[in-house]
Amino acid sequence: QVQLVQSGAEVKKPGASVKVSCKASGYTFTSYDINWVRQATGQGLEWMGWMNPNSGNTGYAQKFQGRVTMTRNTSISTAYMELSSLRSEDTAVYYCARGIAAAVWGQGTLVTVSS
Amino acid sequence: EIVMTQSPATLSVSPGERATLSCRASQSVSSNLAWYQQKPGQAPRLLIYGASTRATGIPARFSGSGSGTEFTLTISSLQSEDFAVYYCQQYNNWPVTFGPGTKVDIK
Repeated sequence: QVQLVQSGAEVKKPGASVKVSCKASGYTFTSYDINWVRQATGQGLEWMGWMNPNSGNTGYAQKFQGRVTMTRNTSISTAYMELSSLRSEDTAVYYCARGIAAAVWGQGTLVTVSS
Repeated sequence: EIVMTQSPATLSVSPGERATLSCRASQSVSSNLAWYQQKPGQAPRLLIYGASTRATGIPARFSGSGSGTEFTLTISSLQSEDFAVYYCQQYNNWPVTFGPGTKVDIK
């Protein structure tokens, strides 16, 4: 079946970087954009950006410009989201999602930023 | 950036009753509006896209309407599994933005 499976939880110190993976299966990886959305505990959804797995083109929300990088490895149908210069406010669950009105989501990856 | 607002913040409804959730955009998003349901510890679930098209497998008790700046999600007869938080999302303009959510809880 169509699914996105994300990497496991991470604990990072302030100033560090984190790279979350999102492995697609059950469909042609290059046919759909991958979007990244995050959610702090008890808070709403925040869209971070998108990547076209076919071309590698990306678009990032201004808030994350300069700190986020979205990449992919088409040979293993996997998308990546790397966030640098982490601060405590980046503690959240990070989701990948297929498409913009997304019917397929990863299970989420909890990233905790703490000294 | 388009700001999405949702009302009410919390809606208390009895099982079997009708629930009406509102979403407003700060400027027109045409019909590029989606609704999601989210339960604790789970990823969001797409209910509606294109303002009024039900996603695959979504029960007919969920319906969406509206265009431009005013949108509504209606749950015709609430089931126990419908108690959750509901988010609207506009994808007409960059960046994509979500509303703050409406929590539907048991009255």
